Amino acid sequence: GQQLNQSPQSMFIQEGEDVSMNCTSSSIFNTWLWYKQDPGEGPVLLIALYKAGELTSNGRLTAQFGITRKDSFLNISASIPSDVGIYFCAGRYNNNDMRFGAGTRLTVKP
Amino acid sequence: KAGVTQTPRYLIKTRGQQVTLSCSPISGHRSVSWYQQTPGQGLQFLFEYFSETQRNKGNFPGRFSGRQFSNSRSEMNVSTLELGDSALYLCASSVDFQGFYGYTFGSGTRLTVV
Repeated sequence: GQQLNQSPQSMFIQEGEDVSMNCTSSSIFNTWLWYKQDPGEGPVLLIALYKAGELTSNGRLTAQFGITRKDSFLNISASIPSDVGIYFCAGRYNNNDMRFGAGTRLTVKP
Repeated sequence: KAGVTQTPRYLIKTRGQQVTLSCSPISGHRSVSWYQQTPGQGLQFLFEYFSETQRNKGNFPGRFSGRQFSNSRSEMNVSTLELGDSALYLCASSVDFQGFYGYTFGSGTRLTVV
């Protein structure tokens, strides 16, 4: 099946720093999604990508759909304390189910 | 616009019992997917329903089942509970089957099996 490798597993950064995380897959996807999950809640959709090479921003967040369709990255600029949480990438190919990465746990020190 | 509603939020069951979890999708959403989330395995896909039909199924034993009603509400059932079934069960809805616009998740049902 399609496996997603998400890295890094965790990050500890200072408030104001930029953050970068990525996901790679052994096979192609035609949709990439990035989610954030806070403790005790379900994941919340941050950015959705539908085309290879697509670069999309949502406020301080920017994500790209890799040109090979096997990878995606998420950048967060000028991090703030409320960025703390677990970030998940997710990918889907055609009618198959959506697969999730293992998550990147982000800690922001004020 | 109400979000995805999952009930109950918390549940404690004994090994061997069965449990039914409920999910009400966002109004107008016809696809409902279920995921199991555990610290060790992450988010694992259970099944997806669209227009009352199961369209995709993950690699879970037959003890895990689900259904979708004509109003798009969905239930999942786990029979003969095992300790390893303790997890956060998340439901997600989308407008269409392929989730082209992404999925909206509920807050989950935390199931503890003792």
